[in-house]
Amino acid sequence: LAKTTQPISMDSYEGQEVNITCSHNNIATNDYITWYQQFPSQGPRFIIQGYKTKVTNEVASLFIPADRKSSTLSLPRVSLSDTAVYYCLVASWDNYQLIWGAGTKLIIKP
Amino acid sequence: EAQVTQNPRYLITVTGKKLTVTCSQNMNHEYMSWYRQDPGLGLRQIYYSMNVEVTDKGDVPEGYKVSRKEKRNFPLILESPSPNQTSLYFCASSTLPGSRVETQYFGPGTRLLVL
Repeated sequence: LAKTTQPISMDSYEGQEVNITCSHNNIATNDYITWYQQFPSQGPRFIIQGYKTKVTNEVASLFIPADRKSSTLSLPRVSLSDTAVYYCLVASWDNYQLIWGAGTKLIIKP
Repeated sequence: EAQVTQNPRYLITVTGKKLTVTCSQNMNHEYMSWYRQDPGLGLRQIYYSMNVEVTDKGDVPEGYKVSRKEKRNFPLILESPSPNQTSLYFCASSTLPGSRVETQYFGPGTRLLVL
């Protein structure tokens, strides 16, 4: 099972681009990388998913280098409402167990 | 509306008094799981289920039981709750695809306090 490592917390300011990197050195060939966002007292919700290179959707981009041992979630022009905990999840369905990291608490300041 | 529901949302109980937290999803998902979330520890999987009558232990199964008699329901049972089970609990569900991880849909959470 891949285990992920993320920074515990990060600060930034409104309008800035924020990059959060997740390390997953033991990622397996079939594993996908998924990022979730969680607000206080709510369940996590899906942001973006990728396997390799770059993926972009309406809220974020995900950069995955060729060796896939890390991934970077990029949030463009953050606002105060982006203050949340962000989780990187690396999982495969080989054994159906999902292991989540501790997440990164992102605080956006005005 | 596609959703995962949990009940109750808040629960205060005493040590040793059996309790059940219900979880139901209306998306016909095969995969369901329970998590507990404690400050600084992120999400830890308690039990998961790949389909009806198929369950398995996650990272922290001690003190918990689950059952999957119907596809939509996945109750979490604490036979004899203890104060160290005070936590925020989440139920989640997803499909079981062949080659990629599908989105996990989470319930609203159940905050449990064991005195």
